[in-house]
Amino acid sequence: GQNIDQPTEMTATEGAIVQINCTYQTSGFNGLFWYQQHAGEAPTFLSYNVLDGLEEKGRFSSFLSRSKGYSYLLLKELQMKDSASYLCAVRSPYGNKLVFGAGTILRVKS
Amino acid sequence: DVKVTQSSRYLVKRTGEKVFLECVQDMDHENMFWYRQDPGLGLRLIYFSYDVKMKEKGDIPEGYSVSREKKERFSLILESASTNQTSMYLCASIRGLAALGSYNEQFFGPGTRLTVL
Repeated sequence: GQNIDQPTEMTATEGAIVQINCTYQTSGFNGLFWYQQHAGEAPTFLSYNVLDGLEEKGRFSSFLSRSKGYSYLLLKELQMKDSASYLCAVRSPYGNKLVFGAGTILRVKS
Repeated sequence: DVKVTQSSRYLVKRTGEKVFLECVQDMDHENMFWYRQDPGLGLRLIYFSYDVKMKEKGDIPEGYSVSREKKERFSLILESASTNQTSMYLCASIRGLAALGSYNEQFFGPGTRLTVL
């Protein structure tokens, strides 16, 4: 079966650091993606992890532990524009099919 | 600038109508996908296509069909729309298969918010 869990909502303060967790149980694994989706817009790619460890890209970092079925997205120096939904998705080992979690709504307050 | 476009941003249809949602990508991508997105459920895959005239069922294909007659165009068809098909529909495309350990980015269209009355 396929199961991807993320918190439904999170709130954080401008300038702070926030960590959004994602746990997964899937039949096969070929990488994990994080997407950002602002209200009423299409998801946009943030990061990809296929090996264990931390991938850093500016203010955003993503971590993966395959043995634990766990990933997190770390957002530093939060800005108001970071208020959005963050989607965790696992890629099937067969082709480019992605299985998405329900998404985490992040609200950044001043 | 890569682009995936969808024929409508908003659509209102009546129960029983046949509905066509069109998606076009200009990146020469082999793979195209149709998802629906509902609050609390995230994106769920309806159908996907690896090449022209090829299609495969996703996780929730019931009540839908698709057509891929040209590489750039992937159509989603609701044969007889029902109220439980009210949703946001997102199309996406991605280039072929990436090398092992690598990835190709999946690009999404802006979405079509469909309301079935």
